[in-house]
Amino acid sequence: NAGVTQTPKFQVLKTGQSMTLQCAQDMNHNSMYWYRQDPGMGLRLIYYSASEGTTDKGEVPNGYNVSRLNKREFSLRLESAAPSQTSVYFCASSEATHYEQYFGPGTRLTVT
Amino acid sequence: EDQVTQSPEALRLQEGESSSLNCSYTVSGLRGLFWYRQDPGKGPEFLFTLYSAGEEKEKERLKATLTKKESFLHITAPKPEDSATYLCAVQSAGNMLTFGGGTRLMVKP
Repeated sequence: NAGVTQTPKFQVLKTGQSMTLQCAQDMNHNSMYWYRQDPGMGLRLIYYSASEGTTDKGEVPNGYNVSRLNKREFSLRLESAAPSQTSVYFCASSEATHYEQYFGPGTRLTVT
Repeated sequence: EDQVTQSPEALRLQEGESSSLNCSYTVSGLRGLFWYRQDPGKGPEFLFTLYSAGEEKEKERLKATLTKKESFLHITAPKPEDSATYLCAVQSAGNMLTFGGGTRLMVKP
């Protein structure tokens, strides 16, 4: 039981490049989330998917898109990366939106 | 807008020296308060959920309590392996979590 897995673990992009962060969970959870964590800012919600087939914006959605591919997988896409998107990105999942969330190991992204 | 403030930002303890971490919150309709532990370079690890004032939860050397305005994470006789950042988050009617900035705990042997 791997829990929540994320790929890649590290990534360096140049300004304007695009990439997709992948997340998968094997806990049969209905809800999935993407956060970013920056020094002094704490964890902030980018997008979430309350259930398969739905996605909604969180606190900081600008510059990102998401896809809930199926119940297990939730991807985050940066279409045109900017230095302000340098951060650590965490995926999380929960049984439903009012339950505790379980986090993946994170993706450390640097945009130069 | 939900707000969560954690104090202190950093706390240094000697092994065995008990202390408490504070999480103050402002939320419209608390549905739950969550505590997480985060080790460097890793994702947050779930510890506790508290739902109503007066509730307490315990796990090994950790005990979490909740009032109408704040939560405390009490650490009894800490060990060096308890060193980590402890995060508090609140969930309101919108179901999304609002996180505090965390308390970085360092326990010296």
